[in-house]
This record gives sequence, C-alpha cells and structure tokens, in this order.
Amino acid sequence: EAGVTQFPSHSVIEKGQTVTLRCDPISGHDNLYWYRRVMGKEIKFLLHFVKESKQDESGMPNNRFLAERTGGTYSTLKVQPAELEDSGVYFCASSQFAGVSYNEQFFGPGTRLTVL
Amino acid sequence: AQKVTQAQTEISVVEKEDVTLDCVYETRDTTYYLFWYKQPPSGELVFLIRRNSFDEQNEISGRYSWNFQKSTSSFNFTITASQVVDSAVYFCALSGVSYNTDKLIFGTGTRLQVFP
Repeated sequence: EAGVTQFPSHSVIEKGQTVTLRCDPISGHDNLYWYRRVMGKEIKFLLHFVKESKQDESGMPNNRFLAERTGGTYSTLKVQPAELEDSGVYFCASSQFAGVSYNEQFFGPGTRLTVL
Repeated sequence: AQKVTQAQTEISVVEKEDVTLDCVYETRDTTYYLFWYKQPPSGELVFLIRRNSFDEQNEISGRYSWNFQKSTSSFNFTITASQVVDSAVYFCALSGVSYNTDKLIFGTGTRLQVFP
C-alpha cells in the first residue's frame, strides 16, 4: 500500500511568488494534517482536515496560506504571496478514522520550500 | 499550554555505544499520548512508539527502550549498542486524546550521529 506522498519534494521560489504544495494521503484515511518545520525549530501543526472539512486550522500562520482538500482525497496548501519566513519543510500526515480519540499519523517525506 | 522540550540538539557517539535521548513535556491534560518519531536522511517521519499517559510501564523493542516517568514529565529514549543506521533526527511529540485535539506537539528534535 502506498504511503503518504507529497509533491514537489523541493521548491525554490522568489519572494512574492505563489507556490502550491500537494499531499496525497493514504487511501481511505479520513484525517489529513499539515505541519511545518522551520530550520532548526520544532515541527509545528498547521491544520487538520476531517475528510473535506477543516477541523482545526489554529496553526495557520496568516491569510497568505490557503489549504483545501478536494472531495476528501488529496490536499493542497497554497502560499500566496510567499515571504522569506515561509521557508521550511512542509509535512503532510494522514490517519485513518474520524471521530476516534487516537489514530496513528503517517507522515510523508515533506516538501522543502525555499523562498529567496 | 502544551510543550515538548528536547534539550539535546545533537549527539555524536561511536558504534556500539548506548545513547539516551531526553524528552521533557508540559501539559495540563490528565490524559495524553507521547510519541517518538525518527527522521532518517530520506526525510520522512517514521513512527517509533506511542505511550498512553496511564501506562507508565517502560517498553523495550529490540535495541530501543523508552522510560516514561510522569513524576518528572519525561519520556526518554535509549538506543543500546548503537549502529550507523541509527543516525537520524529523533523527535519527541505529545498529543491530547479528544476528537478535536489530536494534533501533535513536537520538540525541536535531536540529531544523532553514530560513527563507525
């Protein structure tokens, strides 16, 4: 069974440009999470989808970030316009069941975003 | 507020040495989960262990062992007889157990380098 996949693996853009990151969760997983690690710091939660609905977006840094999850399948995270401080590794994770107190989260390999 | 502290930024050992990675957490929840993830050079986060706050039994899995002590809010990870393949960044994480709060709170990670 395929794991969580993310595209692209690396992205280098200039300040002010737009970038869209994509995450394909494990098939059948209801929960999808986005996290970010800025260099040398902790991995921080951004948001959580349950199917196509945003369950918790308390970690989204500002309105330059827009996340969607079309039809409850893959998700995109758009940064527009990108700023220097957006550089980091963006991780996606998925877990199986909605409405259960705990699910193991399976992580993708991350997208390394560099904003110049 | 929830917080995870991994005070060791980087540890270097020689193969076959034992090494302990420290993790201290803060939470007001009475029920919570603790985790360790490994991030090898390939980038993805690999789940190692989950521990429920009610279960303070230490766990051993091969060369890996975990020491959970609620009295000191610590969840330390020991690798016995380390190997070069253990070289990675290791993250400790914490989560709540309710439907709305299963996001992971990560520490800043400890980079372990095992030299031959």
